This record gives sequence, structure tokens and C-alpha cells, in this order.
Amino acid sequence: NAGVTQTPKFQVLKTGQSMTLQCAQDMNHNSMYWYRQDPGMGLRLIYYSASEGTTDKGEVPNGYNVSRLNKREFSLRLESAAPSQTSVYFCASSNWGIGRIPFNEQFFGPGTRLTVL
Amino acid sequence: QQPVQSPQAVILREGEDAVINCSSSKALYSVHWYRQKHGEAPVFLMILLKGGEQKGHEKISASFNEKKQQSSLYLTASQLSYSGTYFCGTRGNTGFQKLVFGTGTRLLVSP
Repeated sequence: NAGVTQTPKFQVLKTGQSMTLQCAQDMNHNSMYWYRQDPGMGLRLIYYSASEGTTDKGEVPNGYNVSRLNKREFSLRLESAAPSQTSVYFCASSNWGIGRIPFNEQFFGPGTRLTVL
Repeated sequence: QQPVQSPQAVILREGEDAVINCSSSKALYSVHWYRQKHGEAPVFLMILLKGGEQKGHEKISASFNEKKQQSSLYLTASQLSYSGTYFCGTRGNTGFQKLVFGTGTRLLVSP
């Protein structure tokens, strides 16, 4: 099991360029998430997909779009990159829980370090 | 709104104890704790539910006071491997799908 994989690991963009960050999981999880991590800010949720076919905004969705391609894959797109989007991006997945735990623990990918000049 | 963690950073010698606190302004259903080592992805430690249930780590304990919307993580007899940044994540009573993370507590354990 590879767990959660992300590509690319590193990326440098110029302001205004677009790109898509890819995420895939092989644990048959229902839910997937995109976070960004900036120094001193912790992890902030950009978008999430509670189940295949659904996506919802998180805390900081502006400037991003997502696609839940299938149960395994969840991509994050920056249409017109800005320097404020320089960050480390983490994808995570989790499964629905049982009983009183609605969602189980999240498993994180290794991250994509993005720099926008 | 992000939960507030305290302290922001703590330095320990191996074998010492530490407590990390997480406080929210919203009513909480559950609190999740994660640890992130430098340059790596966060890794799950434990879940605490209102009503007292918990699921997680063998050597690290935590408490959840749902009336005060606070959780504390107890690291006893710390080991070098405990070094990293600890994040609490909170789920409210609605919007279960979202886990809102705090800003983190940096822990350094020295020999």
C-alpha cells in the first residue's frame, strides 16, 4: 500500500500561471481533503470531498478549484497563481467511522511545496 | 475559527513531562491530535469524543472537557522521538466533515 501519494513534490510557478496538484489514495477511503500549511498558521482546509461525487469549500477556498475524479483521486487546481499561494499543500484521506465516530483518522500525503514568484 | 493551542513552543529534557492545551470557542463533538515531524506529513495520534470515548496512541494520553471546549495532551516521560509539532483538530456538533486545526505547538526534546 502506497497510502496517499501527491505529485509533484516541488513546483515553482510565475504569477498568473496555472497548475494542478494531483492526489491519489489506495486505501479505499471515502473522504479526501486538501490543506495548505503556512508558517505559524497550522493546517487550513481548502476544499474537501466527503464522498465520491461531492466537493465542498473549506476555510480558505478562494483561488482554488477541485475535482474528485473518482474514489481514488482528488485534484487541486490553481487557475492563476499568486505569491500568496506559496505554501506547502497536503492531501489527506479518511474513511467514515463506525458508531459515534463519524470520520476516522486522516492519513496525509507527503506534501507539495509550491513557490509562486 | 481555529482552536487556540498553548504553549506555542516547549523545550524538554528527555524524561520530563509536558502538557499541550487546545481551546475552542465553539461547541465540540470531538478533538483529534496529530504530530508532525520536520519536513514530514502530520501523523494521527488520537481522537477524543464528547462523552469520554477515545481512540489512539498507547503511550500518549489526553483529556477532553466538552463543557469548557478544551482538550489537553499529556506527554509523560518524554522521549527524543516525541519532538515535533503537535496539532489539535476539532469537529463541531455540525459540519462533521470539517476538521479545523489549531496553529500548532512545537516540542523539542533534548538528551
